Amino acid sequence: KQEVTQIPAALSVPEGENLVLNCSFTDSAIYNLQWFRQDPGKGLTSLLLIQSSQREQTSGRLNASLDKSSGRSTLYIAASQPGDSATYLCAASYNTDKLIFGTGTRLQVFP
Amino acid sequence: DGGITQSPKYLFRKEGQNVTLSCEQNLNHDAMYWYRQDPGQGLRLIYYSQIVNDFQKGDIAEGYSVSREKKESFPLTVTSAQKNPTAFYLCASSIDGRGSNYGYTFGSGTRLTVV
Repeated sequence: KQEVTQIPAALSVPEGENLVLNCSFTDSAIYNLQWFRQDPGKGLTSLLLIQSSQREQTSGRLNASLDKSSGRSTLYIAASQPGDSATYLCAASYNTDKLIFGTGTRLQVFP
Repeated sequence: DGGITQSPKYLFRKEGQNVTLSCEQNLNHDAMYWYRQDPGQGLRLIYYSQIVNDFQKGDIAEGYSVSREKKESFPLTVTSAQKNPTAFYLCASSIDGRGSNYGYTFGSGTRLTVV
């Protein structure tokens, strides 16, 4: 069964810290992996997309890595800010025409 | 700007009623999806469509119906057969069915509440 797990479920850090969010997937035959941000009561905003042939993608203070052999992806957030507070979701795409989502990591960055 | 528009933002359903959630995209994407989000659970796929006039059931299709008469539109009907419809509903699209090089784009969601 294709499953995606995110640890930790919640994280609270002081402003300025660098942090890592983890995403694990059981089936390594991944097509691509996408990281999203969700603010309370809102839709999903795409942050980064990593193709199966890639090892990482970067956008500003965000860096996402993909290790298919170990079934893991990480989202690194540098110099965190209160505005980064949100739920972060990872989703794996397989050759089955649908996304498999993790349950998310709820991040709070306090001043 | 291209994107996905979901309406309404909030919807209230009485017992025994059917309600329809709207999803429109101007991204010229072939594939469209409906997901349901419940607190503490991941997003679950209800229905998806890769081409006009064709759609497939997802993991939790019971009590829901869809149509895909136009490329831009993929409305979801929550029928009275859906016994626990209170949830946050998200519509998404992708250029093709596997996210290709651009991934998936999501709308802003509709919160449905049974009253």
